[in-house]
Amino acid sequence: EPEVTQTPSHQVTQMGQEVILRCVPISNHLYFYWYRQILGQKVEFLVSFYNNEISEKSEIFDDQFSVERPDGSNFTLKIRSTKLEDSAMYFCASSTGQGGAQHFGDGTRLSIL
Amino acid sequence: SQQGEEDPQALSIQEGENATMNCSYKTSINNLQWYRQNSGRGLVHLILIRSNEREKHSGRLRVTLDTSKKSSSLLITASRAADTASYFCATDFMYSGGGADGLTFGKGTHLIIQP
Repeated sequence: EPEVTQTPSHQVTQMGQEVILRCVPISNHLYFYWYRQILGQKVEFLVSFYNNEISEKSEIFDDQFSVERPDGSNFTLKIRSTKLEDSAMYFCASSTGQGGAQHFGDGTRLSIL
Repeated sequence: SQQGEEDPQALSIQEGENATMNCSYKTSINNLQWYRQNSGRGLVHLILIRSNEREKHSGRLRVTLDTSKKSSSLLITASRAADTASYFCATDFMYSGGGADGLTFGKGTHLIIQP
């Protein structure tokens, strides 16, 4: 069964450094999402992406964050200058249609030192 | 902002028993979804119920939706040890058209099935 893949599984970065998290959504999906889950807390929506542009974003997704679909398969999340509070699991998801089931990757654990 | 909030926060039952988890939310929705998360893994979609539906079944899962009370329940029948996981309800925003809607997740119910 096709799945969403995320790399790396764990990323350790010094505070202030830039980090790029990578995702390969399911190939025929059109809608893409990033979520984060701080340890012990609920999963929080960051941003959604459709038709090569941001569709919706939460208040968490400030100017330090950006997303890109550089080619036909990858979907990336960039954090420009990481902070300690950016430490979390970051999940990528994709779906075939608006309002449908979302398929999640296993996440990237981001640790900021 | 709308929220899905599950209760109980934790539930421990014996294998073979039924497990019921509840979810409440605050604003109008298009649909409500339930997801499962095993420790250290991503979320797995279980079932989606649309705002005009009242009940839906999928295998051992039964979901109900009461839009007047803004609540939903997930019933897992004949539980198995492998059902041990955290279960989350998620709601999407009412949208005016186009684009991709993010989901709002609750804090989840941690379900433990005792063998």
